[in-house]
Amino acid sequence: GAGVSQSPSNKVTEKGKDVELRCDPISGHTALYWYRQSLGQGLEFLIYFQGNSAPDKSGLPSDRFSAERTGGSVSTLTIQRTQQEDSAVYLCASSRRTGVYNSPLHFGNGTRLTVT
Amino acid sequence: AQSVAQPEDQVNVAEGNPLTVKCTYSVSGNPYLFWYVQYPNRGLQFLLKYITGDNLVKGSYGFEAEFNKSQTSFHLKKPSALVSDSALYFCAVRYLISSGSARQLTFGSGTQLTVLP
Repeated sequence: GAGVSQSPSNKVTEKGKDVELRCDPISGHTALYWYRQSLGQGLEFLIYFQGNSAPDKSGLPSDRFSAERTGGSVSTLTIQRTQQEDSAVYLCASSRRTGVYNSPLHFGNGTRLTVT
Repeated sequence: AQSVAQPEDQVNVAEGNPLTVKCTYSVSGNPYLFWYVQYPNRGLQFLLKYITGDNLVKGSYGFEAEFNKSQTSFHLKKPSALVSDSALYFCAVRYLISSGSARQLTFGSGTQLTVLP
């Protein structure tokens, strides 16, 4: 079946420009996560959506970062006024439920963002 | 602090030898522990998890991991390594966030495993 789809796969932008990254989760998955993977830094949690609950935004590094999830499905991560330190691979993941805590996350292949 | 640590950035092992990738954690309450693998230019793939029950859990591709509560560890193991096992491995732990509304998944920094032919 279809997995988590992210677009674009690569994005090069100039410093100061805004970017939007898109994530299509697996159909029926209620939980959606955004992570950032920087070279040698591991995975950094950004934001988490679960159903209709208020998202957990505790991982967003600054107010330039925002995300929304429309209709409980597609999510968009927006970075305003991009900076060079925003360059990273942005990973989206979804899972069936988090209430029982044991559902593994299914990751997309990520969007590689390069800010020049 | 609630965290997960992978003390080795790089592990090299000869093909056919056993491999171990180390992971330790620090959380409040009972941890739910996971291992993920990332092949080059690919997203992370789930390998195995520990929720409760037997301390030794088995997962995909012949991998297993042992939960050790006293040592707060969850090391990934495989009896006989393959060249195709070469990848980046991440340990992850779920913990109860302060609001109590959900558990977040925190990842270690990753360990690059290289299996030499």
